[in-house]
Amino acid sequence: NAGVMQNPRHLVRRRGQEARLRCSPMKGHSHVYWYRQLPEEGLKFMVYLQKENIIDESGMPKERFSAEFPKEGPSILRIQQVVRGDSAAYFCASSGTVNYGYTFGSGTRLTVV
Amino acid sequence: SQQGEEDPQALSIQEGENATMNCSYKTSINNLQWYRQNSGRGLVHLILIRSNEREKHSGRLRVTLDTSKKSSSLLITASRAADTASYFCATDAISGSARQLTFGSGTQLTVLP
Repeated sequence: NAGVMQNPRHLVRRRGQEARLRCSPMKGHSHVYWYRQLPEEGLKFMVYLQKENIIDESGMPKERFSAEFPKEGPSILRIQQVVRGDSAAYFCASSGTVNYGYTFGSGTRLTVV
Repeated sequence: SQQGEEDPQALSIQEGENATMNCSYKTSINNLQWYRQNSGRGLVHLILIRSNEREKHSGRLRVTLDTSKKSSSLLITASRAADTASYFCATDAISGSARQLTFGSGTQLTVLP
């Protein structure tokens, strides 16, 4: 069991480009969560998805950010027209049912130059 | 304070000493979890304590939960230099179909050899 796989590990984008972050949950997990961590801060919730459904996107910025978890393939967090303030570590986590801990991926570190 | 707020922000101790970190939160929770993060790395799940539990042990870790005071503590006994990391508490709240972990800003623990 490879755990939660995120790629790429590091991503550099110029301002105005698009960033696509991928997350494959643990085998058997159907719940996926995306978090953002700014330097020296804790993780901030962004979005909670199940297969083909966005359950809670209360932490997602209203513009430029979108997430999906298709029937087949990884979950994708997409950031359009990136700005310097988007530079952060983006973590994906997955879980099975409630009352179990989340398993986090190693994160994608996005740098916008 | 924020939901899942750790105290102290930073802690420095000698190897062999015990380290205690506290966490306070505001809303009702399903469970509370503690995570560890080494600098520049992903999060590692340490321990989960359910809302109907008061104390839990795992190796050198001891976690308590007081739901009446909305607080939790993480005790690391006989600390080692390898325990140096940031430690985050996270509250897991479920409301309807929504579920999200809310992280505090973390306690930076430094264990001096």
